[in-house]
Amino acid sequence: ETGVTQTPRHLVMGMTNKKSLKCEQHLGHNAMYWYKQSAKKPLELMFVYNFKEQTENNSVPSRFSPECPNSSHLFLHLHTLQPEDSALYLCASSQDRAGRRNTEAFFGQGTRLTVV
Amino acid sequence: AQSVSQHNHHVILSEAASLELGCNYSYGGTVNLFWYVQYPGQHLQLLLKYFSGDPLVKGIKGFEAEFIKSKFSFNLRKPSVQWSDTAEYFCAVNTNTGNQFYFGTGTSLTVIP
Repeated sequence: ETGVTQTPRHLVMGMTNKKSLKCEQHLGHNAMYWYKQSAKKPLELMFVYNFKEQTENNSVPSRFSPECPNSSHLFLHLHTLQPEDSALYLCASSQDRAGRRNTEAFFGQGTRLTVV
Repeated sequence: AQSVSQHNHHVILSEAASLELGCNYSYGGTVNLFWYVQYPGQHLQLLLKYFSGDPLVKGIKGFEAEFIKSKFSFNLRKPSVQWSDTAEYFCAVNTNTGNQFYFGTGTSLTVIP
């Protein structure tokens, strides 16, 4: 149990589908993140939210659309994805924004996305 | 943007061997440093962290890391590895002015019984 729950764990979608990934944290944290994990590459930051406000968009294509309705929930809406978007999508949270003293990230187990 | 380099992509060791995984970062200012571990099929978990103070940091499961500011390094060590240490290890950095955690590419460790 990590305190950060992601659903679904696995998702297969066609290039014309629309789907959403969900992340929920039970830790009372104020910052949430979406990362993309591909083989042989560093974890790639996609979006950061602090107190529900988006503070970082790392040049992510518009086919990925984040939503943060409150500090506990984070969504990633997907539409018209490409096969190269297949990866493990990780959600993380931290008590405060990254860089503040004693702030570490807690990760969910990820959603394994396959685009066919 | 900041970058994190992990020089060893895949390490294979026998049980009881000593381990050292390299990590270098590019930022010249104040940094916070982390090592995370990802066991097969599991989530990323924090092994240890450095924010300030003693540059030799002890973490869980017998791991330690040393922050050497002059070398921009934060190498992970364990004197005697076990089969259960087989996992992917990630070094991460953030800066005191930043808004995100920067990760390396990871090192896959296989420990042979």
